[in-house]
Amino acid sequence: ETGVTQTPRHLVMGMTNKKSLKCEQHLGHNAMYWYKQSAKKPLELMFVYSLEERVENNSVPSRFSPECPNSSHLFLHLHTLQPEDSALYLCASSQAGQGARTEAFFGQGTRLTVV
Amino acid sequence: GNSVTQMEGPVTLSEEAFLTINCTYTATGYPSLFWYVQYPGEGLQLLLKATKADDKGSNKGFEATYRKETTSFHLEKGSVQVSDSAVYFCALKKASGGSYIPTFGRGTSLIVHP
Repeated sequence: ETGVTQTPRHLVMGMTNKKSLKCEQHLGHNAMYWYKQSAKKPLELMFVYSLEERVENNSVPSRFSPECPNSSHLFLHLHTLQPEDSALYLCASSQAGQGARTEAFFGQGTRLTVV
Repeated sequence: GNSVTQMEGPVTLSEEAFLTINCTYTATGYPSLFWYVQYPGEGLQLLLKATKADDKGSNKGFEATYRKETTSFHLEKGSVQVSDSAVYFCALKKASGGSYIPTFGRGTSLIVHP
């Protein structure tokens, strides 16, 4: 397997549920990102992990909790979400050590619907 | 801080028309610049990139030139196809507190009619 894989592709959850999104990369990268993409809004950077340390947290509500157990895996734990959290959640990875020159590789996203 | 500004969409063209999607950026120093494309139901894919001033990135008939004097990276294609219909994102990547964080524009939707 190559590239960035996100599971599940689609998720419907109630506001009281707890669920997790999973991202896995097989590119040997050491930086991973979570983005939120909502209709008619810019791509929002949520979290950045570089060398397994969280280096960016853009004022994301605490109902979103990231976890990066190793450089290949990234999770987004969800609990007590709101309907406005419904969006496409995109995971990406890149090679932090090569600086700005390298592009980010994206997964296909998880389409989340909160009911 | 760093930012990317793209033209508002949607851009609607007939097949074989010429395409330009404008992108300008704000950043200190020398960021790398990228164009990504997102097809319906998919994540973003890299389309092309340029890492220094006057570089031209090209792929699949698309081109963009890194213009530092105008802080621009406009996307062009001479003859679009229906299959080019997608959302196009301009992005830059630059150091931020010891890390390199990609910053994206809002995206421009392109619709190509037969």
